[in-house]
Amino acid sequence: NAGVMQNPRHLVRRRGQEARLRCSPMKGHSHVYWYRQLPEEGLKFMVYLQKENIIDESGMPKERFSAEFPKEGPSILRIQQVVRGDSAAYFCASSPGGGDADTQYFGPGTRLTVL
Amino acid sequence: AQSVAQPEDQVNVAEGNPLTVKCTYSVSGNPYLFWYVQYPNRGLQFLLKYITGDNLVKGSYGFEAEFNKSQTSFHLKKPSALVSDSALYFCAVRDKGGYQKVTFGTGTKLQVIP
Repeated sequence: NAGVMQNPRHLVRRRGQEARLRCSPMKGHSHVYWYRQLPEEGLKFMVYLQKENIIDESGMPKERFSAEFPKEGPSILRIQQVVRGDSAAYFCASSPGGGDADTQYFGPGTRLTVL
Repeated sequence: AQSVAQPEDQVNVAEGNPLTVKCTYSVSGNPYLFWYVQYPNRGLQFLLKYITGDNLVKGSYGFEAEFNKSQTSFHLKKPSALVSDSALYFCAVRDKGGYQKVTFGTGTKLQVIP
């Protein structure tokens, strides 16, 4: 059973470009979470999605950031017009859903560098 | 609102000695508590969780954690540290009454000295 997959693992963008980060959850998982980790900091929750629905986006900046989890295909975190402050590691996690104590399983992360 | 605190940025322990990584939490109701480990340039790996029942939870790689409701703590422990245990450890909490948003601590770097 493959784990959570994220691609690309490393992404370099120039200021003003768009970044698209992809996450394929574990087989059978219908819940996806995105987190951001800055150097020397912990994980910051960004958004929680189920198939075709955003459940909680309280941690996501109001501008330039968006996320989706379509019926088919991976979840996408999209950052428009990137700035240097967006440089970070972005982690996706998935869980089966339906249980109160679902464990979240993490992907290897995408490390975004904005030049 | 829920929160979790890891009061130590770094813990140093000699190989073979017992280790403790501290975590305290705050939730409005009863908590679900988790520990994860992160190795350099990797994602987080699940170690163990507390849901209900026995306060001592055993997890992967010989780690265990003790839930203490009166002290609102969930410290991670291992009887004998290995150099390979050196990594970043995250405690996390979720309120049973809420949906599935989990709050993570800022992490504690564990350094096991040979």
